[in-house]
Formats: sequence, structure tokens, C-alpha cells
Amino acid sequence: DTGVSQNPRHKITKRGQNVTFRCDPISEHNRLYWYRQTLGQGPEFLTYFQNEAQLEKSRLLSDRFSAERPKGSFSTLEIQRTEQGDSAMYLCASSPRILRQGFREGTEAFFGQGTRLTVV
Amino acid sequence: AQSVTQLGSHVSVSEGALVLLRCNYSSSVPPYLFWYVQYPNQGLQLLLKYTSAATLVKGINGFEAEFKKSETSFHLTKPSAHMSDAAEYFCAVRESSASKIIFGSGTRLSIRP
Repeated sequence: DTGVSQNPRHKITKRGQNVTFRCDPISEHNRLYWYRQTLGQGPEFLTYFQNEAQLEKSRLLSDRFSAERPKGSFSTLEIQRTEQGDSAMYLCASSPRILRQGFREGTEAFFGQGTRLTVV
Repeated sequence: AQSVTQLGSHVSVSEGALVLLRCNYSSSVPPYLFWYVQYPNQGLQLLLKYTSAATLVKGINGFEAEFKKSETSFHLTKPSAHMSDAAEYFCAVRESSASKIIFGSGTRLSIRP
């Protein structure tokens, strides 16, 4: 178990360019989350996958944002036509399957180190 | 809808003093509650979690938190602060029937020598 891995760690891009981030979750974690965090704020939920299915998207995820998780393993988050307001830390997290019948373990999310995006 | 309110964006204590970081939650069903810590330019690390087993939860680095349903609170404490505790702390909630974890706005903890 090597933890959640995010690449790249830092990305500087010019306004209007497209960027793509990659997240490799902990193996066998079927749930994967993307969050965005700006300076001095808590992480804001963007989207969530269970296996390869994208089950929930925040209204924060505009049409310029798209996320995929082919084959239910790694995930990518793409931002098209970047704007300065997109500058933030993008965090990925994964969570194991929640067992049923009242067993409440495995509920937390494990976070990666994040990708810091700077749009100039 | 679930939500979390952290009272105090910045808390400063002396080394060796009690640490108290406040968190109140709102949830329509019995929640899962978490405290995470974040060091500069790092991801979030889980300190402790409440999953209805015991109301007093012990975590890593000497931290603990008490779930009080009547007060809808989940305050984080540590008896004696250490310089290495200086970081950003986030309280978070997850409804048992939902998938996403909702975070508070965070409390920055500073430790005075």
C-alpha cells in the first residue's frame, strides 16, 4: 500500500490552456473523490466515482471540468480553457468499500499530496 | 443537508497548554465525523474518526475528540500542545447514507514557545 498518488505535484499553465491531472488511488479502493482547495479554505467536493461510474458532481464542476475513471482504477481530472480562478490545490482521495449490515469501518477517505495548479 | 462549522479560523496556544478546536455539525442522520490535519503544501492526514462505537475517540499524536449528540459537536482536544502540532485542522462530516465527505473551513493552530 503506497497511498494515494497524484501527478504532477505542481503545474503552472497559461490562461486558456488545457491541463490534466492524474490520481492513482490505493489499490482495491473502489471509491475515488476529487476536491479543490483554495488558500485558507477547506477542501470543496468536486466529484465522486464508485468503480468507473461517476455518481455525483458538484455544481462547482463547470462544463470546463471533466473527470474520468476508466476501468475503475486511476482517475484523471481535465480542465479546459483554464482561468485564473482555477488556481488551487486539487486533491484526490480514495475510500474502501463500506461494508453493510451496520459495520461502520472503512468510512474515511485517504488523501494524496495534491496537485497545485497556478494559472498565469 | 450535511454541513460543518468550525469556530475560530485561528487558534494560538502556548507550548504545553491545552488545545481545543471547536466543531459543530449538521446532519439529518447519524453521521460519521472526522478530524484531519494538513501541513503546508501537503494532503490531509486523518487524526481520528467517530463511527458511533464510542463517544470519546482517541486519535494519533495525543489528540482526542468527543461526540456530543445533544450539542451536535465534535470538538478536538489535546492536553499538552507541542510545537509540531502547528498546522491546519479540518473537521468533516459524512452522512451514513451519502458518499461525499463535507469539510469545514479549517482552523489554523499556532503554538507559541
